[in-house]
Amino acid sequence: DQQVKQNSPSLSVQEGRISILNCDYTNSMFDYFLWYKKYPAEGPTFLISISSIKDKNEDGRFTVFLNKSAKHLSLHIVPSQPGDSAVYFCAAKRYDMRFGAGTRLTVKP
Amino acid sequence: EAQVTQNPRYLITVTGKKLTVTCSQNMNHEYMSWYRQDPGLGLRQIYYSMNVEVTDKGDVPEGYKVSRKEKRNFPLILESPSPNQTSLYFCASSSGTGHMNTEAFFGQGTRLTVV
Repeated sequence: DQQVKQNSPSLSVQEGRISILNCDYTNSMFDYFLWYKKYPAEGPTFLISISSIKDKNEDGRFTVFLNKSAKHLSLHIVPSQPGDSAVYFCAAKRYDMRFGAGTRLTVKP
Repeated sequence: EAQVTQNPRYLITVTGKKLTVTCSQNMNHEYMSWYRQDPGLGLRQIYYSMNVEVTDKGDVPEGYKVSRKEKRNFPLILESPSPNQTSLYFCASSSGTGHMNTEAFFGQGTRLTVV
């Protein structure tokens, strides 16, 4: 039973535009949510997180939005850059971490 | 430098031959875990450990064993590997669980092929 779902396996955007990656979860006990970025041949690296008591967290070009009633979070990247091309994993946590299947983002120059 | 180190990075083995993938972290983290990454399935947790001598099953523990005799090390053991365990494996560590939430640090990955 996949508790964290990323329904879009891939996303392609033009450089300079906004990238929006989506994630849904089923377990209302999750209280911390994270986004990880993964390049080929490397381990995932932490990008940004949000506690369940907030609905928005911003870090430079990256913003994460949390809608607890809909059990939905999203990652916005503005403006998108070619170096952002990677696989993005959404994760949700209470005592241990559950990951989504990932979304491959391609930013075209 | 803070890091999680996995060895080996690549391994090809035959069905049934016991193997161990090592994982070590230098951040004094309490929490460590193992994941496997498969196409379309993302990262699935195999086992995790909240501290020394405390381990528990994740979502896909069948065919794997772990041990946590020291805080820094968390080896993954495949007693009798089978081809369906061909995958990309990641070890991760973090300093908090539950409400002491922090991000996890991941190793570089171990690509295992069982023939």
